[in-house]
Amino acid sequence: NAGVTQTPKFQVLKTGQSMTLQCAQDMNHEYMSWYRQDPGMGLRLIHYSVGAGITDQGEVPNGYNVSRSTTEDFPLRLLSAAPSQTSVYFCASSYSADTQYFGPGTRLTVL
Amino acid sequence: GENVEQHPSTLSVQEGDSAVIKCTYSDSASNYFPWYKQELGKGPQLIIDIRSNVGEKKDQRIAVTLNKTAKHFSLHITETQPEDSAVYFCAATGNQFYFGTGTSLTVIP
Repeated sequence: NAGVTQTPKFQVLKTGQSMTLQCAQDMNHEYMSWYRQDPGMGLRLIHYSVGAGITDQGEVPNGYNVSRSTTEDFPLRLLSAAPSQTSVYFCASSYSADTQYFGPGTRLTVL
Repeated sequence: GENVEQHPSTLSVQEGDSAVIKCTYSDSASNYFPWYKQELGKGPQLIIDIRSNVGEKKDQRIAVTLNKTAKHFSLHITETQPEDSAVYFCAATGNQFYFGTGTSLTVIP
């Protein structure tokens, strides 16, 4: 099993550009989540999904969209990137609402 | 929502000594308390967890204790080794995960 994979590993955007961070898991987990990690602030939940076709907002959802058309994939979209969205983004999946498995992260810089 | 506080933010110990990291939470409905270890450039990895119906759990050199009345839980690492150096996060969860702000642990050989 590859576990949780994320692409790209690094990305630089200009303010106003859009992009999609990809996340995939091959463990047949129902739960998937997106977090951002900023210095001194730990991990904060952006959006999460409890199954295909179901998504919900986390602690910091503004500026991000998600969809869950399949069990395996959970992409995160930035519609109009802002410097405040410079961060490291982690995707995670779990069988239920407990033990989460994290991907390797995407380091995003918005200029 | 839940508020998780974690202390200390940095911790340095001599190899072989013990390390203790403490977290408090605010939502009495939280029922699952995992601890994650994050090495440089990698995603967090679960090292131990505890549920609200258990007071203590141990796995080799790592132990976690939970005091539901006081709403706090702690990570204990004994006989620390240089490879224990990393950032450690606590979390509390009911419907969503809420993470602490992390503790950077350095084990000095």
